[in-house]
Formats: sequence, structure tokens, C-alpha cells
Amino acid sequence: DTAVSQTPKYLVTQMGNDKSIKCEQNLGHDTMYWYKQDSKKFLKIMFSYNNKELIINETVPNRFSPKSPDKAHLNLHINSLELGDSAVYFCASSPQSSFLGAPTDTQYFGPGTRLTVL
Amino acid sequence: AQTVTQSQPEMSVQEAETVTLSCTYDTSENNYYLFWYKQPPSRQMILVIRQEAYKQQNATENRFSVNFQKAAKSFSLKISDSQLGDTAMYFCAFIISGTYKYIFGTGTRLKVLA
Repeated sequence: DTAVSQTPKYLVTQMGNDKSIKCEQNLGHDTMYWYKQDSKKFLKIMFSYNNKELIINETVPNRFSPKSPDKAHLNLHINSLELGDSAVYFCASSPQSSFLGAPTDTQYFGPGTRLTVL
Repeated sequence: AQTVTQSQPEMSVQEAETVTLSCTYDTSENNYYLFWYKQPPSRQMILVIRQEAYKQQNATENRFSVNFQKAAKSFSLKISDSQLGDTAMYFCAFIISGTYKYIFGTGTRLKVLA
């Protein structure tokens, strides 16, 4: 009964490879996010999707391509991996305010995926 | 631009003592929500406490409470009766009502000492 799940939890790969991280939430939330947490623990938003529509794209290299097949899933595909992509990637979801039409409540985070690029 | 500042990169507290983590933020908006998240070594992000900016009463969750000063744009977290399990990174965050972007601070690493 995991709320937000990510696979894999650990990913070690060579520079130049292409990899994907999957995220699923069973909370019925409308909005999902991808964050990158670097080695200094700084948490930076990358993307946000609301009902499968891209809402936020925070100056992320176009080697990163999110895909939302339905509102319960938000996957992250990364092409041509670079050393600087090594980080922990978090998926999160939040419910939508019926009044304001945008999330105002708590985000629920997945367990994170530690990506190591060699 | 909206920002969140956590001026204490690291703090430590003795078990059973009280500690306060500071957070200030900057926004010109009036309606927003504030959060404290905890990230233990397991790296799972866990909500500690939330506060609606329109509420004057400070939020409380068991041993965790906040001191919300809207005019000063300050949102500090007080942990009472600190426990070893409170050892973690603590992140302050907020979101403007009607938007989709949560803004996070850089975190405070808290160590509870036995």
C-alpha cells in the first residue's frame, strides 16, 4: 500500500547511457513532480505535471524528458547521462485544491532513486 | 522571486532538550502554505508540520510546533523533548496558493546527541 513508489531505488550506469526512472502514486492525486537532490542536499524542482499536462519545466537540459501516461504515473527518461547527473531523484505528488484548481496541500514523496554515473 | 532561507546548516541538541530551527522566506504574495519536512538517513522525505498563512494560530503536532510570524516572514520549527530519531535534515518549504511550485530551503542538519 505504498503511496508514492519509485523504481529503481539505486541506479549505477556509465556516462553516455540512457536510463529511465519510474514513479507511481496510488493516492489519486492530480499533480506529480520530479526533484533532483544534489550531494549538498539541495532540493531542486525539475518538472511538474497536472493531469498529465506539463506545468513546470525548470530549465532542465532537454536530455531529461518526463512522460506521464496517466495521472498516476510520471516517468523520467534521461539521455546521454553525464557525471553531473549523479544525484538522488525524488518523485512527489500532491492533491489538487478544488477551489483554486492548484495544489496547496502537502506533497507526498517517493523513497528516491540514487543515480550514480561513472 | 520567492526564496526560502535556512541560516543554520547544522545544529545539535542533547536528547530530551528543546531546539529551534529557523526559516525565513520572501514573497510578496499574501496567501501561501508553509511546511517543514524531515529527511532522515533513510532519505525518505516526511512531512513534519504545515501552516496556512491565513491562520494566525501556530500549528502544533505533538512535540513539533512552529512560530509563524507573517509580518517578519519567519517560520521557525521547535522540537521539544528531542529524541535520537529526530536526527535528520530538516527542510523548510512554501507554496503560493494557486501555483504549482514548492520552494525549498537548503536544509538544516540536526543531530540529537545521547
